[in-house]
Amino acid sequence: AQSVTQLDSHVSVSEGTPVLLRCNYSSSYSPSLFWYVQHPNKGLQLLLKYTSAATLVKGINGFEAEFKKSETSFHLTKPSAHMSDAAEYFCVVSEKSSASKIIFGSGTRLSIRP
Amino acid sequence: GAVVSQHPSRVICKSGTSVKIECRSLDFQATTMFWYRQFPKKSLMLMATSNEGSKATYEQGVEKDKFLINHASLTLSTLTVTSAHPEDSSFYICSARDVGTDQETQYFGPGTRLLVL
Repeated sequence: AQSVTQLDSHVSVSEGTPVLLRCNYSSSYSPSLFWYVQHPNKGLQLLLKYTSAATLVKGINGFEAEFKKSETSFHLTKPSAHMSDAAEYFCVVSEKSSASKIIFGSGTRLSIRP
Repeated sequence: GAVVSQHPSRVICKSGTSVKIECRSLDFQATTMFWYRQFPKKSLMLMATSNEGSKATYEQGVEKDKFLINHASLTLSTLTVTSAHPEDSSFYICSARDVGTDQETQYFGPGTRLLVL
């Protein structure tokens, strides 16, 4: 069975400082992992995905995430936060099957202080 | 690429009426689309999986007669909320997979805000 845990419901950082959003997963098989961002009253935008290629995945808007199998983690990072990064972030796990559903984390709200 | 649209973006209706929401994949074909519901400050809850040319698969606890799903073409799925009531007010989001290039990634629409008075 799959599950995903986002360890922080809310993260607040100052503009220009690093961002770390934590995600741990559980999967019976080799998972695919995704990070999506949702701005208020908007749909979800794909930031990046891991599908068993390189363990360090680079995404859009300067975000990246590292797949660590030994720690069952897929934390999202960005070196320098921007005000426009303020949004809700979802970590998602999917098992490699065309018929598989995806499982969402509970989300982390990222706030950026001026 | 991989753009999904939803229409309408926002709808207000009276209790007892039915509302149809459209989900379209604009630049790819989607044999499978998904419908989610999102409550305020909550994560997405999968309602049903919509398969082109066949019946939708509903998640446990989702009334199939209440939330009618039709996936008549490879680019269009519709969700009809029948006899809507105030408790059906929510943010509905669809997603689609581009099975031609990537069988795993879901691309999401912008969502539809439904308010039932």
